[in-house]
Amino acid sequence: GENVEQHPSTLSVQEGDSAVIKCTYSDSASNYFPWYKQELGKRPQLIIDIRSNVGEKKDQRIAVTLNKTAKHFSLHITETQPEDSAVYFCAAVYQGGKLIFGQGTELSVKP
Amino acid sequence: NAGVTQTPKFQVLKTGQSMTLQCAQDMNHNSMYWYRQDPGMGLRLIYYSASEGTTDKGEVPNGYNVSRLNKREFSLRLESAAPSQTSVYFCASSEAPLGQGEQYFGPGTRLTVT
Repeated sequence: GENVEQHPSTLSVQEGDSAVIKCTYSDSASNYFPWYKQELGKRPQLIIDIRSNVGEKKDQRIAVTLNKTAKHFSLHITETQPEDSAVYFCAAVYQGGKLIFGQGTELSVKP
Repeated sequence: NAGVTQTPKFQVLKTGQSMTLQCAQDMNHNSMYWYRQDPGMGLRLIYYSASEGTTDKGEVPNGYNVSRLNKREFSLRLESAAPSQTSVYFCASSEAPLGQGEQYFGPGTRLTVT
């Protein structure tokens, strides 16, 4: 079926530590994998994305890796800061252009 | 640019009532989407539209209808509201073809069905 599994559902780290969130998808034809950040009471906003012809992409403290063979992709946040605290969603595009989201990870960065 | 706007921000309905959620974007985007967000379940796609006059079902279309009135506007209608439709509803739009690029979300509508 069309689904995206995301783990963990909650993650607590100390400020300055790294955080890793993992997702798996089921359709080998999926070719676009965005990550969205949603702060409390706000709308989701794109923070980084990766396409299937690339294995890794970085943007300052954020990186995403993709393993097409295993159908896994991961978000890595280094040197976490309190303002990184939010809910993070991974997603994968399925047939017909449907973007399917994971269940979300609530990241808490403790000062 | 206002981006993506949604009305109303909050709504309370009784079971069986109907209502239409309005969405408009001023970014000249072709693709538009409706999602619902429930605790622990992420964002689930209800309907989406590649262009004016075309709409497709997403993951959870039952109980909803949509209209792509023109390029700017994409409305979501609940014909007979049920408590299971209590949720936060987000509209989004994208410049890229369906699902292939950044989606810009509206501020959301919080709907409660009693």
